[in-house]
Amino acid sequence: GENVEQHPSTLSVQEGDSAVIKCTYSDSASNYFPWYKQELGKRPQLIIDIRSNVGEKKDQRIAVTLNKTAKHFSLHITETQPEDSAVYFCAASRGTYKYIFGTGTRLKVLA
Amino acid sequence: GAVVSQHPSWVICKSGTSVKIECRSLDFQATTMFWYRQFPKQSLMLMATSNEGSKATYEQGVEKDKFLINHASLTLSTLTVTSAHPEDSSFYICSARSVGLSDQPQHFGDGTRLSIL
Repeated sequence: GENVEQHPSTLSVQEGDSAVIKCTYSDSASNYFPWYKQELGKRPQLIIDIRSNVGEKKDQRIAVTLNKTAKHFSLHITETQPEDSAVYFCAASRGTYKYIFGTGTRLKVLA
Repeated sequence: GAVVSQHPSWVICKSGTSVKIECRSLDFQATTMFWYRQFPKQSLMLMATSNEGSKATYEQGVEKDKFLINHASLTLSTLTVTSAHPEDSSFYICSARSVGLSDQPQHFGDGTRLSIL
């Protein structure tokens, strides 16, 4: 069945350093890839997304890259801050179909 | 924009009780709503996809008679956990996707923490 692998499961970085989280999907028909940030006990919040017709998208300190051939996409956070500490989930879907979520990455930014 | 309200945020009840959770899209119309279950330190597990005016589509392994879903309008979906038992204790989150021809992201509610004694 369809699945999304996400790595690493935990990531600790020093404040100001960059963080990279990688996801690989299995369904080649996937064309939409959102990233969500979830703080403890709170709702997942969309932080950035990318569609299959582009290879990269950036929003201030956050960027996402997509390699359709290899079926993987990555989240890049630059100049990390303590408030970036949270769990990050990637997901893949095709059209308006359901999301297939990754297993999550717990990011800890050390001050 | 794209606000999803989920109620209640916390429920504690006795075993055997049925519990209803509401999910509302406040500022947009949602043809599709999704219900997830999340265990501590784990990912979101999709339980069912709810489409307005039609029966919900349940994921494999999810008991439809146990988790009743109703999506009677474009702004409201409900999940009823029938005859809840301690193993049903979990964090339940809904999401909604707005009407549109192009791909729209899912927007999540705040979740409901259900504790069955």
